[in-house]
Amino acid sequence: AQSVTQPDIHITVSEGASLELRCNYSYGATPYLFWYVQSPGQGLQLLLKYFSGDTLVQGIKGFEAEFKRSQSSFNLRKPSVHWSDAAEYFCAVRPYSGGYQKVTFGTGTKLQVIP
Amino acid sequence: GAGVSQSPSNKVTEKGKDVELRCDPISGHTALYWYRQSLGQGLEFLIYFQGNSAPDKSGLPSDRFSAERTGGSVSTLTIQRTQQEDSAVYLCASSLGLAGEQFFGPGTRLTVL
Repeated sequence: AQSVTQPDIHITVSEGASLELRCNYSYGATPYLFWYVQSPGQGLQLLLKYFSGDTLVQGIKGFEAEFKRSQSSFNLRKPSVHWSDAAEYFCAVRPYSGGYQKVTFGTGTKLQVIP
Repeated sequence: GAGVSQSPSNKVTEKGKDVELRCDPISGHTALYWYRQSLGQGLEFLIYFQGNSAPDKSGLPSDRFSAERTGGSVSTLTIQRTQQEDSAVYLCASSLGLAGEQFFGPGTRLTVL
């Protein structure tokens, strides 16, 4: 069974600073990988996804993520954080096979942005 | 509608009562999912509907939980004889087909007193 680990429960960064949120997955092959963001009182919004091809994926709101097979990682990055990025971020994985497969979510990383 | 909607947004109930949570998926989306998000936890898969196929109920935590999807659209998640540990945010998502991106609703926050 696949699993996702987000080792950082809470991260605080200054506005304008760079950001990296860590995600490690466990699965026997290359899965589909996702990053979602959840603002308070809101549902989850997809930031970006990796299916295949270029290992550096660009998403919305200036985010990017890099898939590193050797490290089983899919870390999320942003070069300059804005106060509006304060939210909770979830990494997710789904097996790379046909038909329906369950998406497994990490426990999330809460981002606080200080002025 | 423009997105997935859920109602109510908040529900407070007493232990032992039954509750119904509603999800309206994006029009045309054939797949619908229910998740539970407890404080400090990730999303816990509950149940999945795809078209007219039998739902995948493997994530339902107990027989007090059930869900149905009428006419391939609206879904209702029912929790019978609620317990305090059922307190959580219940999220619904829909997708266009089996492998499509899941679009999430805003959730229903359930509090069991």
